[in-house]
Amino acid sequence: QVHLVQSGAEVKEPGASLSVSCKTSGYTFTDYSIHWVRQAPGQGLEWMGWVSPHSGVTNYAQKFQGRVTMARDTSINTAYLELNSLSFDDSAVYFCARDRDISPFDYWGQGTLVTVS
Amino acid sequence: EIVMTQSPATLSASPGERATLFCRASQSITTNLAWYQQIPGQAPRLLIYGASTRATGIPARFSGGGSGTEFTLTISSLQSEDFAVYYCQQYNNWPPRTFGQGTKVEI
Repeated sequence: QVHLVQSGAEVKEPGASLSVSCKTSGYTFTDYSIHWVRQAPGQGLEWMGWVSPHSGVTNYAQKFQGRVTMARDTSINTAYLELNSLSFDDSAVYFCARDRDISPFDYWGQGTLVTVS
Repeated sequence: EIVMTQSPATLSASPGERATLFCRASQSITTNLAWYQQIPGQAPRLLIYGASTRATGIPARFSGGGSGTEFTLTISSLQSEDFAVYYCQQYNNWPPRTFGQGTKVEI
């Protein structure tokens, strides 16, 4: 069965960087893209960008360009999110999710709570 | 960027009642629309894709409809576990992958 398992909660100071991993299993890692979505407390879902595990190509939401990096390690079927220059507004739950071509997100990670304090 | 607008923001209903949620896209997305359910403290769960196809394991009381710019999600008879927040998302024209702001279905 398909699983996306994310790293644990983090507490960061303003100006620091967050790093979240998303370890996948149960499917061919390079067949599906990995997207990152975040959710601030009490708010909706915000798409941050995606990475192609096959090629490593990335695309980031304009809001995060310049301070976000998404990457993958095909040897361990894991995707990564890094966000720099954190502010209090970056406190949120960060989710990874997979999709394939023009399709919805059919599997999600459990979420990683990041608190900027 | 395609803007997704959901209504109502909150829907109050009783168990056993029918609930209809709405989602509008700022331009045509054909039927490349998904609905997700999110229970507090959990990740979103895919309910509907292709505007009207139920995802694996989703009960038949959930149905989706629409095309172009207007879409609906109907829950035919609300069960206690259906009280949650529902999001629509377009995947026709991206990046970015845009979500609606959500509809909370409350008792």
